Amino acid sequence: NAGVTQTPKFQVLKTGQSMTLQCAQDMNHNSMYWYRQDPGMGLRLIYYSASEGTTDKGEVPNGYNVSRLNKREFSLRLESAAPSQTSVYFCASSAAAANTGELFFGEGSRLTVL
Amino acid sequence: GNSVTQMEGPVTLSEEAFLTINCTYTATGYPSLFWYVQYPGEGLQLLLKATKADDKGSNKGFEATYRKETTSFHLEKGSVQVSDSAVYFCALKDTGGFKTIFGAGTRLFVKA
Repeated sequence: NAGVTQTPKFQVLKTGQSMTLQCAQDMNHNSMYWYRQDPGMGLRLIYYSASEGTTDKGEVPNGYNVSRLNKREFSLRLESAAPSQTSVYFCASSAAAANTGELFFGEGSRLTVL
Repeated sequence: GNSVTQMEGPVTLSEEAFLTINCTYTATGYPSLFWYVQYPGEGLQLLLKATKADDKGSNKGFEATYRKETTSFHLEKGSVQVSDSAVYFCALKDTGGFKTIFGAGTRLFVKA
């Protein structure tokens, strides 16, 4: 069972470069999410997509864009990377809009911006 | 707004010791509460959850009870193992249903 798959797992960028993090889930989930994890700060929500065709800002959206390509795929783009975006990024999905639904996470993408 | 506060770590215990990790929350309405665990080099995975007041979630020897009167969801385990070494995150999902908010995480080290 693949679950949630993220690529790449590691990436080093120079300031000002752009890149896209890819995420795909094979669980037929409606909702998908991008979080970033920084030491001592837990996980902070960047963007989410409640269902195919919709996207909304989370807690820390500045410097990022997202695309919900179809029900399976949700990508995160950094147009002009900054050192403050050095972090571990997690994609997650959830089955239901009800607040009882748990999140299923990918293994993470470690990004370093020099 | 909604928020989750959990005890700072790291927490270091000897094998077979009793574990408590405190978690309190602030939320409007009736959120669901979760504990997630992150093992080294992996993503988070659900450990247990409770969806209404007085519910007890349990899994792998871990337990937590949803206490609305004290707005708490403390994680407990009677006898920890070395394999329980990980980072533990308390989280809530609001009544709107789409956003999950996480605490800062508590790192647990268990010594043999």
